[in-house]
Amino acid sequence: EAGVAQSPRYKIIEKRQSVAFWCNPISGHATLYWYQQILGQGPKLLIQFQNNGVVDDSQLPKDRFSAERLKGVDSTLKIQPAKLEDSAVYLCASSPGEMGPHYNEQFFGPGTRLTVL
Amino acid sequence: TQLLEQSPQFLSIQEGENLTVYCNSSSVFSSLQWYRQEPGEGPVLLVTVVTGGEVKKLKRLTFQFGDARKDSSLHITAAQPGDTGLYLCAGGPGGSWGKLQFGAGTQVVVTP
Repeated sequence: EAGVAQSPRYKIIEKRQSVAFWCNPISGHATLYWYQQILGQGPKLLIQFQNNGVVDDSQLPKDRFSAERLKGVDSTLKIQPAKLEDSAVYLCASSPGEMGPHYNEQFFGPGTRLTVL
Repeated sequence: TQLLEQSPQFLSIQEGENLTVYCNSSSVFSSLQWYRQEPGEGPVLLVTVVTGGEVKKLKRLTFQFGDARKDSSLHITAAQPGDTGLYLCAGGPGGSWGKLQFGAGTQVVVTP
């Protein structure tokens, strides 16, 4: 079974530029998550999709961040314009979304390391 | 916001030694997970605990969920260099379907 795919793996941009990240979840997984992980910290949830609908985007800085999940499969996360403090690893995760004691077990991609200069 | 505090932040031990890392919160979680993250990779799920007082063993790793479902521990017996990584605990708040709250992690380094 293929895992969660993310691209690019690394990105270096200057502040005020735009950047986009792509995620392809595990086939059949209904729930998709985007996290921001700053060095020395745990992942922080930015947005959660259930199929192609948003479940939680309460911690997404909506003035500069946007995300979409077209057709309930792939997803893109965009930052426009980027700030220095956006330097972090952006992780995508997916889960089957099935009810039960293991409903929130998540499978992560390798992440995209963003450096904003 | 339900905070998960992990301790210690950093642990460096010799191969063959034992170690324990802790995950504590003032809030109750419906379930708690442990992940291990290696440099340049995403976290990988190790275990999910859902019942207060539950103990799960995964080879040399032993996971325990507190009776009140507010805390958890991970114990590694006879650590090996392959156990090196960032250990993250993550709690599933009741009523927040699918959502996880992550701790800051414990960086474990096992030297030969």
